[in-house]
Amino acid sequence: DVQLVESGGGLVQPGGSLRLSCAASGFSFNTYYMHWVRQVPGKGLVWVSRINSDGTSTNYADSVKGRFTISRDNAKKTVYLQMNSLTVEDTAVYYCVRDKEEWLLSWWFDPWGQGTLVTVSS
Amino acid sequence: SSELTQDPAVSVALGQTVRITCQGDSLRRYYASWYQQKPGQAPILVLYDNNNRPSGIPDRFSGSSSGNIASLTITGAQAEDEADYYCNSRDRSAYPLEGVFGTGTKVTVL
Repeated sequence: DVQLVESGGGLVQPGGSLRLSCAASGFSFNTYYMHWVRQVPGKGLVWVSRINSDGTSTNYADSVKGRFTISRDNAKKTVYLQMNSLTVEDTAVYYCVRDKEEWLLSWWFDPWGQGTLVTVSS
Repeated sequence: SSELTQDPAVSVALGQTVRITCQGDSLRRYYASWYQQKPGQAPILVLYDNNNRPSGIPDRFSGSSSGNIASLTITGAQAEDEADYYCNSRDRSAYPLEGVFGTGTKVTVL
């Protein structure tokens, strides 16, 4: 079974940093783009970032550009999201998501991890 | 950045048909995908590339697109279809392309 398991969420003070991890299994990890999507509890989904299959190309939503860094370790089948200079507006559930199509950036998100909650508060 | 607008909520009687719409400039160029999210769960993909269903998604879910509007139709709604539904496309105004989600529609099955 294809599985994505996020970890690393928690409570952090404004201005702090956190690194999320997403461990993948059940598919050929190094042939898929990966994304992070976040959701403020009770609110809608927001795309955050994506990375290509070999980690050489990344992109970010304007709201996190310059503060967040996506990366991946294909040997460990893991994608990361380094989050710096966090603000209360970054409080959300962060989902790790695989792009549906192998080798392509289709912008179809399938499957999703279960999510990890990041709370930014003093 | 582009926006995708959805009606906040719709209701449908059990076994009847409901149509959810998603409106935005990006849809003139890119097809939408659709996601179902039940309370406390991660979203799942129910339609992609306008009207394609991933394996395991019932054929009562269908999609269409015209101009700047994409639609998800549930024909013969079941109690388990009660959920939030989000459309998604690429942000036409951004370069490199970014993803953009709709505002979400809560579907209640009566």
